[in-house]
Amino acid sequence: EAGVVQSPRYKIIEKKQPVAFWCNPISGHNTLYWYRQNLGQGPELLIRYENEEAVDDSQLPKDRFSAERLKGVDSTLKIQPAELGDSAVYLCASSLEGAGGPKGNEQFFGPGTRLTVL
Amino acid sequence: AQSVTQLGSHVSVSEGALVLLRCNYSSSVPPYLFWYVQYPNQGLQLLLKYTTGATLVKGINGFEAEFKKSETSFHLTKPSAHMSDAAEYFCAVGSGGYQKVTFGTGTKLQVIP
Repeated sequence: EAGVVQSPRYKIIEKKQPVAFWCNPISGHNTLYWYRQNLGQGPELLIRYENEEAVDDSQLPKDRFSAERLKGVDSTLKIQPAELGDSAVYLCASSLEGAGGPKGNEQFFGPGTRLTVL
Repeated sequence: AQSVTQLGSHVSVSEGALVLLRCNYSSSVPPYLFWYVQYPNQGLQLLLKYTTGATLVKGINGFEAEFKKSETSFHLTKPSAHMSDAAEYFCAVGSGGYQKVTFGTGTKLQVIP
């Protein structure tokens, strides 16, 4: 079974440029998460989708970040314009249902996209 | 509200020695607790989880953790460290129906030959 796929793996851009990250979750997983992981820190949730609906985007900086999950499968996270402080690893994860939910289903993580903003 | 505190950002052990990584949590409801491992340039992989039932949880690669409600702890242990255990370990807490998981800041484990 294929795991969570993310692309690109690495991205270097100049500040004020746009950037987009793509995620393909595990087949059949209806919950998808985008996390940001700063150096030396744990992942911090940006947005969580249940199918195509964003059910928790309270931590997403909406002035410059946007996300979509068309048809409830693949998802794209965009930053426009990027700032120096956006340099981080962006992780995508998926689960059968919300992690921490009644069945405590685990989240399966992709390898992440390492973004460097110069 | 929920939070996780991992004591010690870096832990060094000798190969064959006991591994103990500490995690304390805060949660307003009965917690679900997780330990994840992250190898360089990779995503996180679940080691073990506690939801309900037996408080001693066994995971992959010989790791185990014990949920202690009175101490609000979920420490990770392994009797004998192996070189391949060198990685970063994250403790996380989820709250049942809220479906949100909060991660700690991680502990980087170094195994010395």
